[in-house]
Amino acid sequence: IQLTQSPSSLSASVGDRVTITCRASQGISSYLAWYQQKPGKAPKLLIYAASTLQSGVPSRFSGSGSGTDFTLTISSLQPEDFATYYCQQLNSYPRITFGPGTKVDIK
Amino acid sequence: QVQLQESGPGLVKPSQTLSLTCTVSGGSISSGGYYWSWIRQHPGKGLEWIGYIYYSGSTYYNPSLKSRVTISVDTSKNQFSLKLSSVTAADTAVYYCAGMVRGVKVFDYWGQGTLVTVSS
Repeated sequence: IQLTQSPSSLSASVGDRVTITCRASQGISSYLAWYQQKPGKAPKLLIYAASTLQSGVPSRFSGSGSGTDFTLTISSLQPEDFATYYCQQLNSYPRITFGPGTKVDIK
Repeated sequence: QVQLQESGPGLVKPSQTLSLTCTVSGGSISSGGYYWSWIRQHPGKGLEWIGYIYYSGSTYYNPSLKSRVTISVDTSKNQFSLKLSSVTAADTAVYYCAGMVRGVKVFDYWGQGTLVTVSS
């Protein structure tokens, strides 16, 4: 199963609403997770099962979708949110694949 | 709080074997709740899952790397290890160890990552 993300990068301002899309090459039900990675750091789990917020993750992050199309939304972008975001599918478990990433930087 | 820490050489010669160890602290590798995994990231690129092992020793590898990968576990030391044979420059990457939750199959514990460069 292949994952694509759009856009590959975006520029936004603090306070903006940001939406990132992840599309699977075939249906994966809700078996999708989202991660945030900052430069030089390991990825951090944000959302799993398409829409379940990981403990400790701010509520401005939300996820939605099922089947082949998924979105990660940041309702009001904060300075600490500038990072690269990856989706990960687990429907084809035990094979795990990640999307190519979406970089969010400062406008 | 579970913590993971990678260790091993940062420089490996072409055709040799890359060897890394991940030490788990703050929890038992034998607890059964996690698959212990290796993931890599080529410079400036995305994430590539390498494979994982359960504390019992059962493994699963990325088919694209399967012929060169061995992951093992040492429960007495609370460690698991990666060996990648016949490396080339294309194996230069940051290597992460991570814990994948057995139920939801997501990675919620990560090591800090270690850069391995393949060069003569």
